[in-house]
Amino acid sequence: LAKTTQPISMDSYEGQEVNITCSHNNIATNDYITWYQQFPSQGPRFIIQGYKTKVTNEVASLFIPADRKSSTLSLPRVSLSDTAVYYCLVGTVYNFNKFYFGSGTKLNVKP
Amino acid sequence: DGGITQSPKYLFRKEGQNVTLSCEQNLNHDAMYWYRQDPGQGLRLIYYSQIVNDFQKGDIAEGYSVSREKKESFPLTVTSAQKNPTAFYLCASGQNEQYFGPGTRLTVT
Repeated sequence: LAKTTQPISMDSYEGQEVNITCSHNNIATNDYITWYQQFPSQGPRFIIQGYKTKVTNEVASLFIPADRKSSTLSLPRVSLSDTAVYYCLVGTVYNFNKFYFGSGTKLNVKP
Repeated sequence: DGGITQSPKYLFRKEGQNVTLSCEQNLNHDAMYWYRQDPGQGLRLIYYSQIVNDFQKGDIAEGYSVSREKKESFPLTVTSAQKNPTAFYLCASGQNEQYFGPGTRLTVT
């Protein structure tokens, strides 16, 4: 079971770009990297997923170096509504891996 | 309107009582999951099911039971054997990308 390590918390200001890095040294060949966002008293919400290099969607980018032992979630121009906990997971659909959520990173966006 | 529903949103029980949490999905997903979240903590996997009539224990299955008689439904029973049942319970479905329900906050006194 591939576990992940993330910073416990981060602070930012509105309009800034935020980068949250996740370490996953034991990532397996078939594992994908997935990021979720969770607001208080709600279920997590899928943000982005990738296998290698860079993935971008309408809300975020995911950067994955060649060795895949870490990944960075990039949130462009954050707003107050981006204040949430962000979880990095590694796992694979092929082996029906049990995804490990960990404690996540609490992002606090200030005005 | 596709998604996952959990009911009720808040649930109160006396110690020693079993309680069943509902989870329904209309996303046609084979895989479903139950997680537990304690204040300030991440999610911990209780049970998961890959397909109807099959389910597997997660990391903290003791004191819980599940059934998967229908593809759409994956109810979780919190038994009196669960030592600290008060928590936020989340149901999810999906394989590579999990879709979560709104959660049920269970308080046992």
